[in-house]
Amino acid sequence: NAGVTQTPKFRILKIGQSMTLQCTQDMNHNYMYWYRQDPGMGLKLIYYSVGAGITDKGEVPNGYNVSRSTTEDFPLRLELAAPSQTSVYFCASSSPGNNSPLHFGNGTRLTVT
Amino acid sequence: GENVEQHPSTLSVQEGDSAVIKCTYSDSASNYFPWYKQELGKRPQLIIDIRSNVGEKKDQRIAVTLNKTAKHFSLHITETQPEDSAVYFCAASSGDSWGKLQFGAGTQVVVTP
Repeated sequence: NAGVTQTPKFRILKIGQSMTLQCTQDMNHNYMYWYRQDPGMGLKLIYYSVGAGITDKGEVPNGYNVSRSTTEDFPLRLELAAPSQTSVYFCASSSPGNNSPLHFGNGTRLTVT
Repeated sequence: GENVEQHPSTLSVQEGDSAVIKCTYSDSASNYFPWYKQELGKRPQLIIDIRSNVGEKKDQRIAVTLNKTAKHFSLHITETQPEDSAVYFCAASSGDSWGKLQFGAGTQVVVTP
């Protein structure tokens, strides 16, 4: 199993541009999440999904959108990129069941200038 | 919502000594407390977790203790080695929050030979 795969690994955006961060998992996990990690900080939840067709906001959803059309894929969309969105973005997944551990992807390092 | 505080922010130890990282949480409903290790430029990886029905858990040189009354939990690393150098994050979630983990800000651990 490849686990959780994120693309791209790095990206530089200009202010106002948009992009989609891709995330796919091959573990048949129902639950998927997007976290952002600012320098020297912990991870903050942006959006999460408990299954295909279901998404919900986390702690810091402003400026982002998600969709979950399949169990495997959970893309994160940035519209009108802002410097405050410069961060490392981690996608994660977990299986159903109380407090199952998260499996993280390798992250996408995004810079908005 | 849940708030997790983590101390210290940096920790330098001599190889072979012990390291202790402490976290406090605010939500008494929290019942799952994982610890993640993140090496530079890498994804967070689960190293140990504890559930609220257990007071202590050990895995080789790593142990975690939980005091639900005081709402704090700690990570203990014994006989530290240079490869233990990394950032360690504590997190907390409640049973109905699945992967909606609230992370601490992290502790940079440096093990010097």
